[in-house]
Amino acid sequence: GAVVSQHPSWVICKSGTSVKIECRSLDFQATTMFWYRQFPKQSLMLMATSNEGSKATYEQGVEKDKFLINHASLTLSTLTVTSAHPEDSSFYICSAPQGSGNTIYFGEGSWLTVV
Amino acid sequence: QKEVEQNSGPLSVPEGAIASLNCTYSDRGSQSFFWYRQYSGKSPELIMFIYSNGDKEDGRFTAQLNKASQYVSLLIRDSQPSDSATYLCAVTVGGFGGYQKVTFGIGTKLQVIP
Repeated sequence: GAVVSQHPSWVICKSGTSVKIECRSLDFQATTMFWYRQFPKQSLMLMATSNEGSKATYEQGVEKDKFLINHASLTLSTLTVTSAHPEDSSFYICSAPQGSGNTIYFGEGSWLTVV
Repeated sequence: QKEVEQNSGPLSVPEGAIASLNCTYSDRGSQSFFWYRQYSGKSPELIMFIYSNGDKEDGRFTAQLNKASQYVSLLIRDSQPSDSATYLCAVTVGGFGGYQKVTFGIGTKLQVIP
């Protein structure tokens, strides 16, 4: 089946620094990818929709200048958390639709800890 | 009204029983319906998808869709402790092809008691 891969799986960074998370579609092209955040014991929260070759669409309340999304190719989208703070510590997950039915496949997720 | 509603649970069933997970949605234009399983600390994984009214079976899993009632369910037969997880219902709005809005329910936590 379709595979979406994320990297890194785990990352620890110091407060004030930036960290980049990559999301790749391995065996299909994805013009659209989605970025979610999930805090412990809470539901998935859609942060933004990444569009290849154009600006990302952010959900209400998500700071676009803090969470930079780049979708430079049909197989790669990146999320950069800028000036990270401990409250940004969370599980970040990307997904991409594939196939005629647009089945959503998820990446493995990336745990971010800001210390 | 939330677009996709699920009971957060936990839903507890004994091992070997049938677990019934339910989901309702508000948009009658919804086209595609998905069930995902998410273990604690892990990313969601696709279990099943269904597009047409009726039942769709895959192993121990059966998805049921009733568009008139705007209701989709997932049945897990012969529940195993390894089925203990959070089950997410997802609904896409719009026709096939191109970008579709995907909305997830909050997820139902299932506990299978040995």
